[in-house]
Amino acid sequence: GAVVSQHPSRVICKSGTSVKIECRSLDFQATTMFWYRQFPKQSLMLMATSNEGSKATYEQGVEKDKFLINHASLTLSTLTVTSAHPEDSSFYICSARDTAIYFGEGSWLTVV
Amino acid sequence: QKEVEQNSGPLSVPEGAIASLNCTYSDRVSQSFFWYRQYSGKSPELIMSIYSNGDKEDGRFTAQLNKASQYVSLLIRDSQPSDSATYLCAVNGFGNEKLTFGTGTRLTIIP
Repeated sequence: GAVVSQHPSRVICKSGTSVKIECRSLDFQATTMFWYRQFPKQSLMLMATSNEGSKATYEQGVEKDKFLINHASLTLSTLTVTSAHPEDSSFYICSARDTAIYFGEGSWLTVV
Repeated sequence: QKEVEQNSGPLSVPEGAIASLNCTYSDRVSQSFFWYRQYSGKSPELIMSIYSNGDKEDGRFTAQLNKASQYVSLLIRDSQPSDSATYLCAVNGFGNEKLTFGTGTRLTIIP
């Protein structure tokens, strides 16, 4: 299947700082990518839809100024968590559609 | 009513038996249906996709779709301990690339 890669896989940051997570489609172009967040023992919650060349579309309740999304090219989308707080600690996963919808490996964010 | 519903489990199945996972969805115009497997601490991995009524088989896995009943299932034959994971049902609407996930069913295969 298609490969979607995320980086970093794990990151620890201090409260109040910002952290960037990258999502790349390695063997296909993706005009649309999706960002999810998953807390322990819960299902995936869609945060936003990343659109190449235009603004991201955020789901209800997701702060667009806190979770900055940039879809810089047809193979790269980035999620920046700004002014991170401990409650932002979670598993962040991106996905992109080729013949089906594939997920990246996920990024564990811990805010201390 | 949740858009995509799954029994959260846990579902325990003896090794070698058939595991049956069920999912119902509320949006009648849903077009695409997916089963993902998620191991603890890992991201979801696509197991099966199905788009039309009937059965679709891939190795030990069979997906079944009944759009009239708004029901999709996943059968795992000859269950192995490595099949122990959470299985997520996901649904895609017409002209919509967003996936709506169920809460997942935790499956445990007992050796």
